[in-house]
Amino acid sequence: DADVTQTPRNRITKTGKRIMLECSQTKGHDRMYWYRQDPGLGLRLIYYSFDVKDINKGEISDGYSVSRQAQAKFSLSLESAIPNQTALYFCATSDALAGGGPNNEQFFGPGTRLTVL
Amino acid sequence: GDSVTQMEGPVTLSEEAFLTINCTYTATGYPSLFWYVQYPGEGLQLLLKATKADDKGSNKGFEATYRKETTSFHLEKGSVQVSDSAVYFCAASSGAGRRALTFGSGTRLQVQP
Repeated sequence: DADVTQTPRNRITKTGKRIMLECSQTKGHDRMYWYRQDPGLGLRLIYYSFDVKDINKGEISDGYSVSRQAQAKFSLSLESAIPNQTALYFCATSDALAGGGPNNEQFFGPGTRLTVL
Repeated sequence: GDSVTQMEGPVTLSEEAFLTINCTYTATGYPSLFWYVQYPGEGLQLLLKATKADDKGSNKGFEATYRKETTSFHLEKGSVQVSDSAVYFCAASSGAGRRALTFGSGTRLQVQP
């Protein structure tokens, strides 16, 4: 079984709808991240969470919200979807190094392809 | 803010050719540097990393050296294979306490038999 799973894998929705993307992990990692990938732009960080009570905005958080329901679950919501939120969304996790250093590997889920019409 | 710049693709090579994908970064201080690879239909996976100046990361025949003086982390492989066809992303640790990653735009590599 995959260590980082995302549901749904594909979603088509209409402008104005509320959408939730879910991420679960069995790696036991404390840190979880949401990115979006757009052609020619690479990955951009939306939100990240270092534990259940620590949630931080990333580079492009406007129009998104998140919920860290448990150590293993981190959901991304689009309250009112718009067409320019059409993208590939990735969840990632990482372990916390002793001393909290950033030099650690992130493990990615398979992605959710979201299309907003 | 921090940024990572990669050479634009796609890069098309014949099997056994030499590969270089350029990456430069802009950051305050000294970030850790990473190369991730994304195979078709999959998420990203770490290929190699370097955490301080002059470090060389290596994996699966790929290598990259952290060059502080040129703020670069170019990816190289001496002899590519068809199975290396993928999108390669350069990334640097960023944000408060360097707890997040800033990615480059990605470079698609296509290796022909």
